[in-house]
Amino acid sequence: DVKVTQSSRYLVKRTGEKVFLECVQDMDHENMFWYRQDPGLGLRLIYFSYDVKMKEKGDIPEGYSVSREKKERFSLILESASTNQTSMYLCASSQAGLYGYTFGSGTRLTVV
Amino acid sequence: QQQVKQSPQSLIVQKGGIPIINCAYENTAFDYFPWYQQFPGKGPALLIAIRPDVSEKKEGRFTISFNKSAKQFSLHIMDSQPGDSATYFCAASKQTGTASKLTFGTGTRLQVTL
Repeated sequence: DVKVTQSSRYLVKRTGEKVFLECVQDMDHENMFWYRQDPGLGLRLIYFSYDVKMKEKGDIPEGYSVSREKKERFSLILESASTNQTSMYLCASSQAGLYGYTFGSGTRLTVV
Repeated sequence: QQQVKQSPQSLIVQKGGIPIINCAYENTAFDYFPWYQQFPGKGPALLIAIRPDVSEKKEGRFTISFNKSAKQFSLHIMDSQPGDSATYFCAASKQTGTASKLTFGTGTRLQVTL
């Protein structure tokens, strides 16, 4: 069963900490995405990557960075976590030239 | 700026009813319109999708209606069941280089009662 795996289901971090959210896909997909999901706001794109070491900003990149050193792994980094980054974070992947996304189950991050 | 507007925010229907969820978009560059279904504790999963050259698409009990001139599309669930209770997101996509970037609506929480 092909899938996107997010390393943590729940995470609690303190304000100012550097936070790493990890995502791994086993489908050999070229594209990977990070979204955050908030009630009433839907899913908003933070960053995406269309190839190893390539990245592009999404709609809300402020306060985040990403890393893609290997095709199967895409990391989201919160340089200095703040309480307004408390959210559900969803990773997704897709094959180049195709539209369908496969999502992971999400990481619920709480910043206290 | 919400590029894809979705309504209603929540919906309660009885079993067998036909819930309808509506979405509207602004950007005419969008060329693919999927619907995703999300159960609690899970990531969204692709349910059904349509391209703008087609006015309707059916897959089982799920139907997308698409009105290109009005820039609107909707999801109909025929003979709804309690197992359809979930959050539904519409989305719109346009190609960006090799990546198809999805813009999502705000979601509709559907509850189907017995």
